[in-house]
Amino acid sequence: NAGVTQTPKFQVLKTGQSMTLQCAQDMNHNSMYWYRQDPGMGLRLIYYSASEGTTDKGEVPNGYNVSRLNKREFSLRLESAAPSQTSVYFCASRLTGGGQPQHFGDGTRLSIL
Amino acid sequence: AQTVTQSQPEMSVQEAETVTLSCTYDTSENNYYLFWYKQPPSRQMILVIRQEAYKQQNATENRFSVNFQKAAKSFSLKISDSQLGDTAMYFCAFMWGDSGGGADGLTFGKGTHLIIQP
Repeated sequence: NAGVTQTPKFQVLKTGQSMTLQCAQDMNHNSMYWYRQDPGMGLRLIYYSASEGTTDKGEVPNGYNVSRLNKREFSLRLESAAPSQTSVYFCASRLTGGGQPQHFGDGTRLSIL
Repeated sequence: AQTVTQSQPEMSVQEAETVTLSCTYDTSENNYYLFWYKQPPSRQMILVIRQEAYKQQNATENRFSVNFQKAAKSFSLKISDSQLGDTAMYFCAFMWGDSGGGADGLTFGKGTHLIIQP
């Protein structure tokens, strides 16, 4: 049972380059999320999607775009990467409603030089 | 916006001891959920325990239990008979209920690094 799969696991970019992080879940979950984790911090919400075709901003959306391609897939795009976007990125999904917990992917470590 | 505070950046205990990690949160709403997640060095985020705010009974999962004090807005995690494999970062997290009026997603504390010594 794969759960939430993120690709790639590691990536190094130069400032100004673009990049799309991919996320797919096979649990038939409605809601999907992107978080970033910086040293000494908990995870912070970038964007989320409550259902196919909808996306909403989270706490730290600047510099990012997202696409909910279908029910399974939710991608995060950096159009012009900046060193401040160096972080570990996590994708998560859950069944909507009833306080269902989020299930996380293994994360992508992204370094912007 | 709600805030989640974990006041212990790091804790260290001996194997088999009991340890309690603290978490406080700030909200004026009644409909919400609280979680503890474990992040070992492998970087995975693993759900430890979940609490529904409208339930008085404290959640328990094997060696893990919580002390949920709603009036005090406190949600501590107790780990009994600690094991070396419990060494990890532990994050407390808040989520609005379906009618809570807030944005979807989790709000995390900054985490507590728990070290279990042999």
